[in-house]
Amino acid sequence: GNSVTQMEGPVTLSEEAFLTINCTYTATGYPSLFWYVQYPGEGLQLLLKATKADDKGSNKGFEATYRKETTSFHLEKGSVQVSDSAVYFCALGIMNRDDKIIFGKGTRLHILP
Amino acid sequence: DAGVIQSPRHEVTEMGQEVTLRCKPISGHNSLFWYRQTMMRGLELLIYFNNNVPIDDSGMPEDRFSAKMPNASFSTLKIQPSEPRDSAVYFCASTKGQGPYEQYFGPGTRLTVT
Repeated sequence: GNSVTQMEGPVTLSEEAFLTINCTYTATGYPSLFWYVQYPGEGLQLLLKATKADDKGSNKGFEATYRKETTSFHLEKGSVQVSDSAVYFCALGIMNRDDKIIFGKGTRLHILP
Repeated sequence: DAGVIQSPRHEVTEMGQEVTLRCKPISGHNSLFWYRQTMMRGLELLIYFNNNVPIDDSGMPEDRFSAKMPNASFSTLKIQPSEPRDSAVYFCASTKGQGPYEQYFGPGTRLTVT
């Protein structure tokens, strides 16, 4: 079946540190891949996405590259800020299948000033 | 443009009472999703609708839960009778077209059942 596995948190970093949150997936068909972010007290919002192999999604300094050979979509940021503290969800959806998106369990990120 | 609207934002009720959560999706979106989020179980898809028709309700926990979408601009999730284990944050999300496209989430309803 289709599934997403992401690293467990919490992840605690100092401000300006380099961030990587690992995500791997299992999918039948041709998945689109997403990273969503949830700030405290809010709903999830799309951070970035990639729809085919080797695509790189980017937004707000975050990047993730769709790696079909390793079935991965790791999230990276070169220099994190306190305001990046949130829960990050990796997710996939299968094009032309249905509208469902399968979410990972989420990784909580704490950035210390 | 208004985002997904949910009401109430907070609900506190006693065990055994009926609870109704409401959602207004973004205009023009034709798929609507109800999720539940808890610390223990994470984010769970309860049910989703496409063009007001329930497509997949396999995540609905039990018969105490029911959802309706009488028109394109309104959906309800009802719990009757409510139990303490139903305490969670319930999110509604909507999306357009034949997906998967970006889902837009509402702010959530925090339900506490005592």
